[in-house]
Amino acid sequence: EAGVAQSPRYKIIEKRQSVAFWCNPISGHATLYWYQQILGQGPKLLIQFQNNGVVDDSQLPKDRFSAERLKGVDSTLKIQPAKLEDSAVYLCASSSIRDRTDTQYFGPGTRLTVL
Amino acid sequence: GDSVTQMEGPVTLSEEAFLTINCTYTATGYPSLFWYVQYPGEGLQLLLKATKADDKGSNKGFEATYRKETTSFHLEKGSVQVSDSAVYFCALKTGGFKTIFGAGTRLFVKA
Repeated sequence: EAGVAQSPRYKIIEKRQSVAFWCNPISGHATLYWYQQILGQGPKLLIQFQNNGVVDDSQLPKDRFSAERLKGVDSTLKIQPAKLEDSAVYLCASSSIRDRTDTQYFGPGTRLTVL
Repeated sequence: GDSVTQMEGPVTLSEEAFLTINCTYTATGYPSLFWYVQYPGEGLQLLLKATKADDKGSNKGFEATYRKETTSFHLEKGSVQVSDSAVYFCALKTGGFKTIFGAGTRLFVKA
């Protein structure tokens, strides 16, 4: 079974530029998560989708971050414009609604550096 | 609000030493508790989990027991190996939708 795929793996941009990340979850997983992991901290949930609907986006900075999951499969996370404090690893995870404990399966992450 | 507190790292041990990484939590309701591990250069992966009080999760020689009375979920292993060097994250998930992670504890195991 293929795992969660993310691209790109690394991205370096200047502040005020835009950037987009892509995630393809495990096949059949209805729930998809985007996390931000700042160096030395645990992952922080940005947004959670179930199929193509948003379940929780309470910690997403909506003035600059947006995410979509068209067709309920893959997803993109965009930052526009980027700030220095957005430097972090962006993790995508997915889980199956048939798993009552909601175990999440993580992708390798995208490391973003904002200069 | 809900939160997870882990012992600060790094933790440095010699091979075959006993490992404990402390984790305590604050949550409304009855959360599920998890330990995730991040090996160098790899993504986070589930190590073990427990869904109710007094449950013991175990995997790869690691164990953790869900202690409701002390709101703890400490990770233990009787004899660590160099290959256990990684960052360990304690996490909880309540009846709501959000999973909350601790800050992580880095473990170095010396040969």
